[in-house]
Amino acid sequence: DGGITQSPKYLFRKEGQNVTLSCEQNLNHDAMYWYRQDPGQGLRLIYYSQIVNDFQKGDIAEGYSVSREKKESFPLTVTSAQKNPTAFYLCASSPRTGEVTEAFFGQGTRLTVV
Amino acid sequence: AQSVTQLGSHVSVSEGALVLLRCNYSSSVPPYLFWYVQYPNQGLQLLLKYTSAATLVKGINGFEAEFKKSETSFHLTKPSAHMSDAAEYFCAVSDPTSNFGNEKLTFGTGTRLTIIP
Repeated sequence: DGGITQSPKYLFRKEGQNVTLSCEQNLNHDAMYWYRQDPGQGLRLIYYSQIVNDFQKGDIAEGYSVSREKKESFPLTVTSAQKNPTAFYLCASSPRTGEVTEAFFGQGTRLTVV
Repeated sequence: AQSVTQLGSHVSVSEGALVLLRCNYSSSVPPYLFWYVQYPNQGLQLLLKYTSAATLVKGINGFEAEFKKSETSFHLTKPSAHMSDAAEYFCAVSDPTSNFGNEKLTFGTGTRLTIIP
């Protein structure tokens, strides 16, 4: 089945540690996105990538980094510079067909700082 | 800049009653609009989208929404609520003047829908 796979589902991090969240898609989509979800705040865009080896900052990129070395993969690193990393992280992808299509979402990774 | 306001962070309706979830947008150009649904600890699933074609949009699971430019609204409705509709619902807007309409979605803060048996 085609889809977006995020791993792990739950992740615990000690303060001061970097952690990397995985996002893989087999939908052959060009564009990929990372969102952060906090209660009562909806989803906020962290980074997005339209093509391989290119990505742009979203609205809350500080303390995060990404790479896009392969079309199907868009990992997100939460660095120690992110002061409040506890949140639900959602990866999404979409095709770039010239028509308006929706973004397809993974099942999310819940990150908790302990 | 675009923004979305969802009135009511929590909405409760009885099973079989009308569901109405409100969404108002702000955009300098006619936008693309989306409604997504999220079940607990899950990702988001698209319910429906408006892309400047018909103003009344029908989606999955019996939901529909009407784009009203004069009111800058895109409210989500369902005639008869079912227990399985209990979830969180997000309205989102994107800028059609960007490369593609689904880039850089701006989401509302969400409305949690509870169904009363």
